[in-house]
Amino acid sequence: SYVLTQPPSLSVAPGQTATFTCAGDNIGDKSVHWYQQKPGQAPVLVVYDDRDRPSGIPERFSGSNSGNTATLTISRVEAGDEADFYCQLWDSGSDQRVFGGGTKLTVL
Amino acid sequence: QVQLVQSGGGVVQPGKSLRLSCTASGFTFNSYGMHWVRQAPGKGFEWVAIISSDGNNQHYAESVKGRFSISRDNAETTVYLQMNSLRVEDTAVYFCAKELQWLGPLESWGQGTLVSVSS
Repeated sequence: SYVLTQPPSLSVAPGQTATFTCAGDNIGDKSVHWYQQKPGQAPVLVVYDDRDRPSGIPERFSGSNSGNTATLTISRVEAGDEADFYCQLWDSGSDQRVFGGGTKLTVL
Repeated sequence: QVQLVQSGGGVVQPGKSLRLSCTASGFTFNSYGMHWVRQAPGKGFEWVAIISSDGNNQHYAESVKGRFSISRDNAETTVYLQMNSLRVEDTAVYFCAKELQWLGPLESWGQGTLVSVSS
């Protein structure tokens, strides 16, 4: 089955840029989605189809996808961005929806 | 706005059954596929199942295939997850979710409901 690999943690100072990675075999050929989950809450979709933002998501959130790595970038990080971030895609080979293990963002 | 309100869940012994419900509002329910996704305590997400907008197609994670069944009642705007032969490793918070489009992202999520399988 298809595997998505995310670093378990990321620490960034306020005002700096947070860059999350999601690695998978030829992931650039697939559409990747990103979710933010704050403690005790349901996840929120923040980027879909590699780089599109749902309405209400700030422009500070952006995405890209190429080769074997998809990336979520948060510019001008704020304390309120602290959360777990998950990548996800549909794997046509197994017809399964697949999630990465998640990255915990800590705002210093 | 989209609302997904879940019910069901609780504590159940291994081998027993449980049914989860998710009632939707704020969108044309019969036009969208619906998912169930779970999150074990302190862990990441595991996709569980999807049902197509008309209810005619279902797909399951290998870990639940043959034990879980997803269904929907479009008249009641509700999606269900019937869980049979429950195992300790099925313990998790279960979320229902609405897709943005078929094979697309999970646009909106329910509040989650805890299923605890324990003897």
